[in-house]
Amino acid sequence: QQQVKQSPQSLIVQKGGISIINCAYENTAFDYFPWYQQFPGKGPALLIAIRPDVSEKKEGRFTISFNKSAKQFSLHIMDSQPGDSATYFCAACSEGTGGGNKLTFGTGTQLKVEL
Amino acid sequence: NAGVTQTPKFQVLKTGQSMTLQCAQDMNHEYMSWYRQDPGMGLRLIHYSVGAGITDQGEVPNGYNVSRSTTEDFPLRLLSAAPSQTSVYFCASSYSTGISDNEQFFGPGTRLTVL
Repeated sequence: QQQVKQSPQSLIVQKGGISIINCAYENTAFDYFPWYQQFPGKGPALLIAIRPDVSEKKEGRFTISFNKSAKQFSLHIMDSQPGDSATYFCAACSEGTGGGNKLTFGTGTQLKVEL
Repeated sequence: NAGVTQTPKFQVLKTGQSMTLQCAQDMNHEYMSWYRQDPGMGLRLIHYSVGAGITDQGEVPNGYNVSRSTTEDFPLRLLSAAPSQTSVYFCASSYSTGISDNEQFFGPGTRLTVL
């Protein structure tokens, strides 16, 4: 059972266009929502993150929109560039049973930005 | 700083063999974790640690053991490898053990094949 559902599985966008990736969750214990970017052969790297008391967060061309009542959040990449071609993972963080935190990832979206 | 390092990069095992995946970080991070990445399933948390001597189970702990004797090292042990453990394994660390503002830094991964 996937606790964080991510769509689409793959996405092709023209250079300069907007890329949109959506995620949904059920567990109300999730309290922090990061997005990670992964290039082939590399480990994921944090792109941007949001707390649930904020509806939107923008960093450069990347924006997270968060809808707490709907339990949904999305990543928007404005002016998409070929260098943005990568796999994007949404994630949700909850407290572990022994303290610390546990990250639950979505299944990933493979983004390709074409010239 | 080398960041998070993992060895080996590639490994082939036969069913029933044992091995240890090594992970080390030089950032003095308290939190360390292990994930496995499988096609179409994103990254799934195996085990995590909030400090030396403290470990806890993640989403898919069966078949894996961990220990944390130092802040720097967090090895993952496969006691009796099975084909279902064929995957790419990522180690990660973060400064914060809390739920938010806990950017995780990932290693380059170990690609494991069990025949």
